Order: sequence, then C-alpha cells, then structure tokens
Amino acid sequence: EAQVTQNPRYLITVTGKKLTVTCSQNMNHEYMSWYRQDPGLGLRQIYYSMNVEVTDKGDVPEGYKVSRKEKRNFPLILESPSPNQTSLYFCASSPGLMSDEQFFGPGTRLTVL
Amino acid sequence: GENVEQHPSTLSVQEGDSAVIKCTYSDSASNYFPWYKQELGKRPQLIIDIRSNVGEKKDQRIAVTLNKTAKHFSLHITETQPEDSAVYFCAAFSNSGYALNFGKGTSLLVTP
Repeated sequence: EAQVTQNPRYLITVTGKKLTVTCSQNMNHEYMSWYRQDPGLGLRQIYYSMNVEVTDKGDVPEGYKVSRKEKRNFPLILESPSPNQTSLYFCASSPGLMSDEQFFGPGTRLTVL
Repeated sequence: GENVEQHPSTLSVQEGDSAVIKCTYSDSASNYFPWYKQELGKRPQLIIDIRSNVGEKKDQRIAVTLNKTAKHFSLHITETQPEDSAVYFCAAFSNSGYALNFGKGTSLLVTP
C-alpha cells in the first residue's frame, strides 16, 4: 500500500531533550516536506527536500533540522525542544515538484513540557 | 514570500445549500492552487487543484475558480452534505519562492 508513515504518532517530552520524528514514504517520491499545524495558523512549512542530500528552509525552520540521506526517509530533528514547538507535525511527499499532489502522513502530536 | 489569505475562517450552512471559500495570494508568479480537506483527527487530503492556465475546474459537486488578474481563487461546494463538514485549506505554489504556502483554513459545518 502506497503510504507516508510517521513515528512516533504521539510524544510528550521535556524542554531540551533531543528528539527525532521519522518520516518514510514507499512511493519513490522525489519531494518531501515537513509542516506544523497550530490552531488558527494553518499549515506552515518547516523544511523541504527536492531530492537526496538537497534540503531547504520553509517558513518556520528555527529550532529544527532535517536530513535526506535516502530517498524514502526524511527525519525531523529537534536538537533542544522548547514549549513553543508543541504542535501537530505532518510529513508529506509528492512525485516531483511541490506543484504535484502532496501525500500527507498521519501526523505526530508533540508536547514539550 | 507568498502570502495566502483565506476567508471565512468559519462557515455554517444548511444541508443542500452551497458553500464558497475564498483565497487571495500575493505572488504573481504563483501557478498552482490546490485545496485540501482535513476531517477531524485526520490528515489533509487533496480534493481539487487548478493551474494558472485554467480559469475553472469541476469535479462533481466541487469546483474551483481562478482569477489571475485579481489574484484570487475560490472553492465552491454545491448541494452540501453533512460529510462535507471539515476544515478546508487553500494553498498557492510559487516558482519564484519555490514554496507551497497554505491559508489558515476554513472550518465548514453542514447542518442537517
């Protein structure tokens, strides 16, 4: 089944404790991205990647890192999480450019205490 | 970067009525405009999209119109049903900034 998976789905952590949210797609998509969703603010892009080893900042990259060592995986890293990073995070992939349908993962709800 | 404004933020309609959600964008280089539907607790899913070389696109009860001169595009849902209740997001993709920017969403409630 073609899909985008994220792990974990739920995470409660404390300020400053490094964490990684994994994202994997099995559709051989070139493009992957991370969004955060906050009430009243919609979906805001954190980082995106157009291919292996090619990543770039979105609208809200501060406090986040990403890597794209393999085509299928695009992990999101929070080196030192803070409470303002409490949010719902979505990974997405699309076949080519961003001007193709985005396939979203199921989301990761992160709480930073 | 691209700024996408979406209105209204909430919309309540009676079953069978039409619903219209409007978005404006700022970057004249934007050329792709998708609409996503997000049901409660679920992931966003594409329902319809339009490219800048087309003025209107329909898919059953859903249609999207694009006015490039005025830089706005709209989602039209006819004969609404309770299962249309969800949050709808518009988005605009610009080649100049190479980013997909979303509006803040419209919460649509269709009452029986």
